[in-house]
Amino acid sequence: DTAVSQTPKYLVTQMGNDKSIKCEQNLGHDTMYWYKQDSKKFLKIMFSYNNKELIINETVPNRFSPKSPDKAHLNLHINSLELGDSAVYFCASMGQGIFHEQYFGPGTRLTVT
Amino acid sequence: KNQVEQSPQSLIILEGKNCTLQCNYTVSPFSNLRWYKQDTGRGPVSLTIMTFSENTKSNGRYTATLDADTKQSSLHITASQLSDSASYICVVTPTGGGNKLTFGTGTQLKVEL
Repeated sequence: DTAVSQTPKYLVTQMGNDKSIKCEQNLGHDTMYWYKQDSKKFLKIMFSYNNKELIINETVPNRFSPKSPDKAHLNLHINSLELGDSAVYFCASMGQGIFHEQYFGPGTRLTVT
Repeated sequence: KNQVEQSPQSLIILEGKNCTLQCNYTVSPFSNLRWYKQDTGRGPVSLTIMTFSENTKSNGRYTATLDADTKQSSLHITASQLSDSASYICVVTPTGGGNKLTFGTGTQLKVEL
């Protein structure tokens, strides 16, 4: 059973398009995240939701809009895609408590041409 | 400057050898420090989680140490295997940070025959 799943795994699109990435976790966790990993492999947090409520919103352009229809899902919609949006996007989830592990999805490689 | 710095940036060792990766952080106070392993093309996977009061934590051939006074952590890998080739990431959770984990810059390890 996949704990955190993301779709699609690869996404190639042109500048200016709008696209969405979906994420689902079956671990019963309350907290979910979106991270962006650039070419230098640095993982940067974008958003975090706790039980469908936005709790972390880093300085991400308004073109990025997360949506959490329920606590098992956190989708990422990106408007007007730009070349600089090309990266690998990871979804993750984590339970409550300081010893709770964080589980990552397989990543979505977004290429904007 | 990132609050979690890792060294070296990259490392090449021969199979069977030991190695130690370093993590220096300025996040304070913090509730826990984690080490993740990220294989190429995959999401990070948790190796160890230590609270601020713990000094060491092992997971098989991986042993993490923590010195909260000097704000340093290390990950020691014993008897390296080819499958240890990956990026190793140090992650610190600030106290009261609302689950906002601070990621390090990572060390890229390559194990060769």
